[in-house]
Amino acid sequence: EVQLVESGGGLVLPGGSLRLSCAASGFTFSNHWMNWVRQAPGKGLEWVANIKKDGSEKYYVDSVKGRFTISRDNAQNSLSLQMSSLRAEDTAVYYCAGGQGFLIENWGQGTLVTVSS
Amino acid sequence: DIVMTQSPDSLAVSLGERATINCKSGRSVFSTSYNENFLAWYQQKPGQPPKLLVYSASTRKSGVPDRFSGSGSGTDFALTISSLQAEDVALYYCQQYISAPLTFGGGTKVEIE
Repeated sequence: EVQLVESGGGLVLPGGSLRLSCAASGFTFSNHWMNWVRQAPGKGLEWVANIKKDGSEKYYVDSVKGRFTISRDNAQNSLSLQMSSLRAEDTAVYYCAGGQGFLIENWGQGTLVTVSS
Repeated sequence: DIVMTQSPDSLAVSLGERATINCKSGRSVFSTSYNENFLAWYQQKPGQPPKLLVYSASTRKSGVPDRFSGSGSGTDFALTISSLQAEDVALYYCQQYISAPLTFGGGTKVEIE
């Protein structure tokens, strides 16, 4: 069974930093593109970033470029999102998600990030 | 960026009746290289992550009930629930995955009338 388990969410001050992690199991992690997708409270889905199977390509939504960094460790079956210069509008549930190519097939349960003073 | 526009924002349908959700992309999501539309549909119930229902515009994911069907090509797509069941009450999103940034429609809320 595919499992994606996020951790690292919490309350952070505006301008602060946070690192999200995602532990993957039940599938061959190194064969999948991985993504972070977020959902602000009561709002729709917003794709944040993705990373190629071997980590050689990364893509970001414009609003997080230069502030967020996606990375992966295929030996540890883990995905990370380093977030800095956080803003109130980054408040959301962040989902770890993956699949073949750009198709998102599997999702974690999400971790809540709240940016507030 | 490819803008995805869903309609309606919400719809209420009687149990057993048909529900249709529309999705329009700002430019074609059809790949001539792969002969495939890079369009997916997701279902999200309250407090849960999204669940993939349909990909390649019309291919149901394994295990998804056959009352769910996707159609369309190029820029115009639809998700149809042929006979609405109580457990289908949810938000539904379309998404293009032909190019980054991946983009979602705004969502359609399906309720029981």
